[in-house]
Amino acid sequence: EAEVAQSPRYKITEKSQAVAFWCDPISGHATLYWYRQILGQGPELLVQFQDESVVDDSQLPKDRFSAERLKGVDSTLKIQPAELGDSAMYLCASSLISGSDTQYFGPGTRLTVL
Amino acid sequence: QQQVKQSPQSLIVQKGGISIINCAYENTAFDYFPWYQQFPGKGPALLIAIRPDVSEKKEGRFTISFNKSAKQFSLHIMDSQPGDSATYFCAASIDSGTYKYIFGTGTRLKVLA
Repeated sequence: EAEVAQSPRYKITEKSQAVAFWCDPISGHATLYWYRQILGQGPELLVQFQDESVVDDSQLPKDRFSAERLKGVDSTLKIQPAELGDSAMYLCASSLISGSDTQYFGPGTRLTVL
Repeated sequence: QQQVKQSPQSLIVQKGGISIINCAYENTAFDYFPWYQQFPGKGPALLIAIRPDVSEKKEGRFTISFNKSAKQFSLHIMDSQPGDSATYFCAASIDSGTYKYIFGTGTRLKVLA
């Protein structure tokens, strides 16, 4: 069964450093989502791509976060500089082009900022 | 208005019992309501989903009950098993073509053997 791949699985960094997370969606899925999940809470959407275009980044802290999906396949989420409050699980999900409503989640990247 | 309120925060059930998790929403534009199951260290996985045109949907031991007038929906897990111990999230979305999800805060379920 096809799965969403994410790396790294765990990342420990010091505040003010830069971090990057990578996501490879299920092949053929045009829509890609990045979520942040704080411990004990539900996932919160950070950014949503349709192919290579951003369709929703209203909750992305753009002063320090950036996301790209070059060629409309895999995606990178970057944080620079990292802050203590960024410690969370970062989840990537993908779904088929509009008409499909199931989002498939990857295993996530657990970020700890010291 | 974009929030989805979920309760209880945690739930302990005996093996074979019924687990019930409730969610409520305000935005009447929501038209798709999935439930996700998440095990520790894993990403959420779709369990079951419902649209407002039906009041109930059943898949195996899992049932969603939907009350459109009350703007509430619930997940029932029949014959709960220790393997069901996980965190459950309800969500709601609007059919805008990209299905942006608003998640509840989650319910940590523990089924005692």
